[in-house]
Amino acid sequence: GNSVTQMEGPVTLSEEAFLTINCTYTATGYPSLFWYVQYPGEGLQLLLKATKADDKGSNKGFEATYRKETTSFHLEKGSVQVSDSAVYFCALRRSYNTDKLIFGTGTRLQVFP
Amino acid sequence: EPEVTQTPSHQVTQMGQEVILRCVPISNHLYFYWYRQILGQKVEFLVSFYNNEISEKSEIFDDQFSVERPDGSNFTLKIRSTKLEDSAMYFCASRGLTAGTAYDSGSNQPQHFGDGTRLSIL
Repeated sequence: GNSVTQMEGPVTLSEEAFLTINCTYTATGYPSLFWYVQYPGEGLQLLLKATKADDKGSNKGFEATYRKETTSFHLEKGSVQVSDSAVYFCALRRSYNTDKLIFGTGTRLQVFP
Repeated sequence: EPEVTQTPSHQVTQMGQEVILRCVPISNHLYFYWYRQILGQKVEFLVSFYNNEISEKSEIFDDQFSVERPDGSNFTLKIRSTKLEDSAMYFCASRGLTAGTAYDSGSNQPQHFGDGTRLSIL
């Protein structure tokens, strides 16, 4: 079936450190891939997306590249800030017959000054 | 920036009671969704809704659940007889359709989520 696997958290970093949160997926066809972020007490916000292989999504200094050969969509940021502390969810949406999102378990990021 | 709004932010209900969760999607969106997140678990899809009917539902969305778009702005989720295991955060989402097309090329449009309603069943 279709699924998303994320690295377990929490990920704890100092400010200005490099961030990677791993995400791999299993899906039939050519899914679209997303990263959503959930700040404390808030809902899910779309962070970035990629809709086909080799696409790179980027927003607010975060990047992720759709790698079909490794079925991965790892989230990266070169220099994290305290304000990036949140839970990050990787998600996929199949390209046909459905538009529901399938989420990973979420990875909590904690950034300390 | 337009946003999806959900009310109430927290709902406490006795087991066996009916509950209605309310959502106001983004005004020009045509596709609507409910998801839920049990504490510490994944965000799970419940149902999608388009053109005044359910387009897809998950195994979780049994006969106790129903959705409705009672007017041009609201989208509701009703749970008829709540159970303890219905305690969760419920998220509403909506998605737009690319303007000027005769078909749904909006499948690449992202879903926009509300802040959620925390439902606590006692």
